[in-house]
Amino acid sequence: QITLKESGPTLVKPTQTLTLTCTFSGFSLSTSGVGVGWIRQSPGEALDWLSVIYWNDEKLYSPSLKSRLTITKDTSKNQVVLTMANMDPVDTATYFCAHSRGDYIWGGSGYTHASYFDFWGQGILVTVSS
Amino acid sequence: VLTQSPGTLSLSPGERATLFCRASQSVRGTYLAWYQQKRGQAPRLLIFGASTRAAGIPDRFSGSGSGTDFTLTISRLEPEDFAVYYCQQYGSSPWPFGQGTKVEIK
Repeated sequence: QITLKESGPTLVKPTQTLTLTCTFSGFSLSTSGVGVGWIRQSPGEALDWLSVIYWNDEKLYSPSLKSRLTITKDTSKNQVVLTMANMDPVDTATYFCAHSRGDYIWGGSGYTHASYFDFWGQGILVTVSS
Repeated sequence: VLTQSPGTLSLSPGERATLFCRASQSVRGTYLAWYQQKRGQAPRLLIFGASTRAAGIPDRFSGSGSGTDFTLTISRLEPEDFAVYYCQQYGSSPWPFGQGTKVEIK
């Protein structure tokens, strides 16, 4: 049974760095093809894809947020950590982590993953306010 | 960019729902997924690969399409199907979601 759970601060101040941890069970991030991603959702808004990290340490980032995001994994602890720098009130959202699986495809300049999110954590609401 | 239509669909239980997702560029390899999200809950994967139902998803949900135009069809709406539905392409990074279609009770 695959489960994921997000943890971290629920309140951060503007300009601070947010660090979120996704702790999972039921799978290993050393298994070929497996990834863990982060998606956020501002209140009343649509889903916003942020980042994903794979078993082979491939990392993908949303272009609009790439300069502020860092994703890492600790396979031995079954954890994935996302940091987002320079937080702003517009970053107030529920942050979800999710298990990702799919295909390994030729992306034109190299092989990359094409994967969907099949298991999701419950999400953590992060408020950015002074 | 993925554009979903309509923004809101008002239907009665038992009716057929047809939701659309249009991509600004052709989606590689039909790498398109559909998710359902109920209020206060995490999204749930319904369809991947444009037409493959995820595990445990009832067969009243079906997906179709290729290139830039995709469709999610719910053949007969059950009370638990009233929710927001999102499409997402995952064939080439980044992997945006559409803005969602709300299916509400008429």
